[in-house]
Amino acid sequence: SQTIHQWPATLVQPVGSPLSLECTVEGTSNPNLYWYRQAAGRGLQLLFYSVGIGQISSEVPQNLSASRPQDRQFILSSKKLLLSDSGFYLCAWSPESSGAFFGQGTRLTVV
Amino acid sequence: LAKTTQPISMDSYEGQEVNITCSHNNIATNDYITWYQQFPSQGPRFIIQGYKTKVTNEVASLFIPADRKSSTLSLPRVSLSDTAVYYCLVFNNNAGNMLTFGGGTRLMVKP
Repeated sequence: SQTIHQWPATLVQPVGSPLSLECTVEGTSNPNLYWYRQAAGRGLQLLFYSVGIGQISSEVPQNLSASRPQDRQFILSSKKLLLSDSGFYLCAWSPESSGAFFGQGTRLTVV
Repeated sequence: LAKTTQPISMDSYEGQEVNITCSHNNIATNDYITWYQQFPSQGPRFIIQGYKTKVTNEVASLFIPADRKSSTLSLPRVSLSDTAVYYCLVFNNNAGNMLTFGGGTRLMVKP
């Protein structure tokens, strides 16, 4: 069966520090991969999606970037975090014709 | 991409049936309809998916009229633990869909 792993679960980082959140999927190949951000009490904002290695589409201009160095690995990064980058970050993968399956999320607090 | 519209919030009582409707007027022929449940600080969880007519599983039913411009998630006999945010998603994964979620419906189940 397919599983998605996302870590860390929580993270507190100072303003101006770098960020790296990693997401991996097991049990499937060539999945579509997604990064979302969710502010407190708000909906899911799509940040990036990828249909293959090295193929990244950005939905929102921001202080973040994404990379897909391997088929089942998706990384969310920032060179210098801002206070506004705080939020709940979710990675998801999508098989054909079945919507999306989410990781457990990372709660990022920038202080 | 098909945009979705849902009520922002709904209240119900334990034991009642809850119906949450989602509008997706510009749904495309190849689009599927999927519903998710999200608890605080967790990733959304897949509930049910359909293309047309009625789909039922162990937790919910999904009703889709012939024109497919809306769908209704039906939760039978809700309990307090069904308090969550419910998202409707319309997607076509064959097109590398961006999987853009709407605002969701916040369901509050009261004793």
